[in-house]
Amino acid sequence: QVQLVQSGAEVKKPGASVRVSCKAAGYTLTNYGISWVRQAPGQGLEWMGWITRYNGNTNHAQKFQGRVTLTTDTSTNTAYMELRSLRSDDTAVYYCAREYFSDTSMEVRFDLWGQGSLVTVSS
Amino acid sequence: DIQLTQSPSSLSASVGDRVTITCRASQTIYSFLNWYQQEPGKAPKLLIHAASTLQSGVPSRFSGSGSGTAFTLTLNSLQAEDLATYYCQQTYSSPYTFGQGTKLEIK
Repeated sequence: QVQLVQSGAEVKKPGASVRVSCKAAGYTLTNYGISWVRQAPGQGLEWMGWITRYNGNTNHAQKFQGRVTLTTDTSTNTAYMELRSLRSDDTAVYYCAREYFSDTSMEVRFDLWGQGSLVTVSS
Repeated sequence: DIQLTQSPSSLSASVGDRVTITCRASQTIYSFLNWYQQEPGKAPKLLIHAASTLQSGVPSRFSGSGSGTAFTLTLNSLQAEDLATYYCQQTYSSPYTFGQGTKLEIK
């Protein structure tokens, strides 16, 4: 079954770091890009960044520059998102999503999502 | 960054109704517009891509239209299981922004 399986909930103190994993099942992770999206409690969706399928290049939203690192491990078919210097407003559910890119229409769509990982930042 | 504004922010409709949600972009995004459905407590699910293409497996009562800066998601013959929040997303340029969401309630 094609799916993305994410790591479990985490509780972190302000200033700490968190790493969320996203394991691809049923397909080869690096055949697609992976985006990370977060959702604060009761709020909307916020795109954080992506890692490309081609060479592992990454791109982040400006607000996360310097705090987020996106990586993939091809040996385990797993993507990772690390967020550093955590603050209380980083409390959110973090999703990974598979990016399907059409070579003909050049459009991108997020066609497969992980189940989400709740990260709570609290002293 | 490209801003997406959805309207309404919430709406209530009855089973069998036709519902329309609008998404407006702050600049042209051509047809690089996707729609997602997020049921309570679940991950988002892709409904429509490239403004009007129905994702495989999505019921045909969902449809999308528009291009440039104005887009519409239409749900025909509303069903009880359509209770969810709906988001538009642009993938014309990074950052891939989302609209603020439209919460659909069933009367």
